[in-house]
Amino acid sequence: AQSVTQLDSQVPVFEEAPVELRCNYSSSVSVYLFWYVQYPNQGLQLLLKYLSGSTLVESINGFEAEFNKSQTSFHLRKPSVHISDTAEYFCAVRRQGAQKLVFGQGTRLTINP
Amino acid sequence: DAGITQSPRYKITETGRQVTLMCHQTWSHSYMFWYRQDLGHGLRLIYYSAAADITDKGEVPDGYVVSRSKTENFPLTLESATRSQTSVYFCASSESEAGASTDTQYFGPGTRLTVL
Repeated sequence: AQSVTQLDSQVPVFEEAPVELRCNYSSSVSVYLFWYVQYPNQGLQLLLKYLSGSTLVESINGFEAEFNKSQTSFHLRKPSVHISDTAEYFCAVRRQGAQKLVFGQGTRLTINP
Repeated sequence: DAGITQSPRYKITETGRQVTLMCHQTWSHSYMFWYRQDLGHGLRLIYYSAAADITDKGEVPDGYVVSRSKTENFPLTLESATRSQTSVYFCASSESEAGASTDTQYFGPGTRLTVL
């Protein structure tokens, strides 16, 4: 079975500061990795995903995540956050060949002006 | 393009009542999922469906029933609602070809259910 741990339930940062949201996973088989974002009162949207190839993946709005197999991590980073990045972020894994996603507990990112 | 919709968006019911949450997708995706979101637990899978008339249990199926007579609809029924089923429920869908699991899951806007 797979499991996901998001190490911080809440992360407050100032606008234009860098941020890192941490995600560690556990799996005995190969997995795909995802970050989803949930803006207030909305459903989840895919932010980025790692399937194969380059271990660094990027989103269109400046986020990036790096797959680290040896540390079983998939941390999400942004060099300079904006007020509009205020949301809850979920890390998720899926076993290769399966359809079910396993989610972490979520990290609430709060941007202060 | 409507995508994936859920109804109702908000529902208040009483303990012991039956309630059905609706999910409809316009993409003809083969896979559909129901999750519940609770503080401190993230999203947990209740049931999923690989195609019409094919459903399977997820992590927390007790107290829920699903059906999928048509590809585009995946209703979730709470047969006898309990207070512990107060939650936000999300439906999702994904397309799959020949067992590939690289597909993105697309989520509906959610239904906030309160059981009094």
